[in-house]
Amino acid sequence: DAKTTQPTSMDCAEGRAANLPCNHSTISGNEYVYWYRQIHSQGPQYIIHGLKNNETNEMASLIITEDRKSSTLILPHATLRDTAVYYCIAPNTGGFKTIFGAGTRLFVKA
Amino acid sequence: DTGVSQDPRHKITKRGQNVTFRCDPISEHNRLYWYRQTLGQGPEFLTYFQNEAQLEKSRLLSDRFSAERPKGSFSTLEIQRTEQGDSAMYLCASSQGFSGDTQYFGPGTRLTVL
Repeated sequence: DAKTTQPTSMDCAEGRAANLPCNHSTISGNEYVYWYRQIHSQGPQYIIHGLKNNETNEMASLIITEDRKSSTLILPHATLRDTAVYYCIAPNTGGFKTIFGAGTRLFVKA
Repeated sequence: DTGVSQDPRHKITKRGQNVTFRCDPISEHNRLYWYRQTLGQGPEFLTYFQNEAQLEKSRLLSDRFSAERPKGSFSTLEIQRTEQGDSAMYLCASSQGFSGDTQYFGPGTRLTVL
């Protein structure tokens, strides 16, 4: 797995966009970037993933830099229910030993 | 598609007892993963299966931990002679097994060893 680095915590005002950064400078060409989130005491929830191109789904957008060394998860209109720990991972497609770091704890405030 | 299910959701046991957890993956998924998560940390990979074959088990925490997936469907994780340090959330995930492989997680089993 490529090592990922995320800020420990972030705040966001309700209704505003939440932009969560992730560095993955050692990522290899065939490793996808995945984002999950985990609300207290629940299992991680898949959000989005991408390889090279920016991606968007009903939950979020994923912006990947051209050199693929970093990415940003965007929650366009954060709500209080988006308060969670967000994990950025780049699992090795050969070994499948997915490594999660401590993630970013996002606090959405009213 | 009912998602990944895990049973039990909570388990309290005394030190030295054996415990077994069950995971039922999404029906068409051929990969199944087990993770452990302690407070304030991200999930820690333990082992995974491709159908019934256990392809990676070096990350199992000790020889007290074992996992099976006998018919390539549900899986069990057993911890023998539990210790207080085994108290954690045990998570199961499944995936289809393609490149760009999205894992879907179950709700977890929370183990408390007294």
